[in-house]
Amino acid sequence: AQSVSQHNHHVILSEAASLELGCNYSYGGTVNLFWYVQYPGQHLQLLLKYFSGDPLVKGIKGFEAEFIKSKFSFNLRKPSVQWSDTAEYFCAVKPGTGRRALTFGSGTRLQVQP
Amino acid sequence: SQTIHQWPATLVQPVGSPLSLECTVEGTSNPNLYWYRQAAGRGLQLLFYSVGIGQISSEVPQNLSASRPQDRQFILSSKKLLLSDSGFYLCAWSALSTGNANTIYFGEGSWLTVV
Repeated sequence: AQSVSQHNHHVILSEAASLELGCNYSYGGTVNLFWYVQYPGQHLQLLLKYFSGDPLVKGIKGFEAEFIKSKFSFNLRKPSVQWSDTAEYFCAVKPGTGRRALTFGSGTRLQVQP
Repeated sequence: SQTIHQWPATLVQPVGSPLSLECTVEGTSNPNLYWYRQAAGRGLQLLFYSVGIGQISSEVPQNLSASRPQDRQFILSSKKLLLSDSGFYLCAWSALSTGNANTIYFGEGSWLTVV
């Protein structure tokens, strides 16, 4: 079975700082990769996803993620964070075939200080 | 457009009482349906998924059960709640079509506190 690791559980940054959240997965086959975000008091929203093609994926609100197959990684980045980026971020992986559901990482809580 | 609704949004139940969380999807047919749980300080854990009416797969053994009486209705139940059942429960769906088969969309979630 696949698994997902998010090594940063709680990250505190000042506004305008750069962000990189780590995500590593274990699965030997083709995968689809996702980052979800949950803002305080709101439901989970899709931030970006990778299915195939260009390994550098751009999402909403200036976020991007790079799929590095050799490292089994899908790290999330943003050059300059804002206070409104304060949220919990979840990495998720899904086998590329079949109707299987997503496997999520434990999440990273990002706190951006003004 | 497709929408997903789940209720109730919050629930406080005593230990040993029953549970029923309901989820409905609109604007699509034959969706895959999922129940996830997010326990405090932990990630999202898949509990059940369903690929059709009456077809339920359980990912982890537990005190909960799921049913899909209609194509776009998914119900999470328990006969007797435990303290450890407390958490944030999320219903989700994904489409059957190949273009978006792998994107999963979530409902607003239900906060369950067992006391």
